[in-house]
Amino acid sequence: DAKTTQPTSMDCAEGRAANLPCNHSTISGNEYVYWYRQIHSQGPQYIIHGLKNNETNEMASLIITEDRKSSTLILPHATLRDTAVYYCIVRVAGGGSQGNLIFGKGTKLSVKP
Amino acid sequence: NAGVTQTPKFRILKIGQSMTLQCAQDMNHNYMYWYRQDPGMGLKLIYYSVGAGITDKGEVPNGYNVSRSTTEDFPLRLELAAPSQTSVYFCASSIPPRPYEQYFGPGTRLTVT
Repeated sequence: DAKTTQPTSMDCAEGRAANLPCNHSTISGNEYVYWYRQIHSQGPQYIIHGLKNNETNEMASLIITEDRKSSTLILPHATLRDTAVYYCIVRVAGGGSQGNLIFGKGTKLSVKP
Repeated sequence: NAGVTQTPKFRILKIGQSMTLQCAQDMNHNYMYWYRQDPGMGLKLIYYSVGAGITDKGEVPNGYNVSRSTTEDFPLRLELAAPSQTSVYFCASSIPPRPYEQYFGPGTRLTVT
C-alpha cells in the first residue's frame, strides 16, 4: 500500500479556502485516494475519494495531479466547524476489498476567525 | 436511522477485569470494524467482519476477541484488561462495493488502571 505524507498542521482564515496537501508518490494504478476528517473527540467522517479525475461533492473538492503522486483536498469556504484532523489514505478498491483503512497522523487544520 | 451506536461512552476498568464494548448499526451494512486510537495517533484496526459469522484480525488484535452473530451487532471483548488497552475505541460499518466509505460511531473512552 502506498504511504502518504501530510503536513502536521495548517491554519486557515474563516471564509477562505482551505487547501490540504497529501503526497503519495508511490501510489499504484489501482489505488484510490480517500479523505477523512476527525473533529475533536468524535469518530472520523468520510469526506471524498478519487482515482485520477478531480472529484467534488457537497463537502469538498479533491484535486489529483496528473501523475497521481499528490493530491489536494479543498474546503472552499472554511468555517470554524471545519477545525479537525484531516486524514489522506490510499487504498486498493474494487472486488475483494474489505475496507481496512490505515490512518496516519493526518493534518490538524485550525480555522481561525 | 441512528447510524452506528456504541455503548458505553466511558468506562474505567481495573487491571485484569474483562468487559464487552457494544456496537450496533441500523443501516444493514455487511462490513463492520473495530479501531482503537491512542492519544495523538491515528486509528488502528483491531478486528473486522464482512458478514454474520465471519471475522478477521486487523493490525492490533492481541488482547481482544469479537463475534458477529447478526448483521446489526459487532461486540468487542476485552479479556484481562491491561493499561496498554487504555484508548478510545471506534466502531465503523460500510457496505460493498464501497468498503472504504465507512460510518463511524461516537467512540468508547476506556481507561485501565
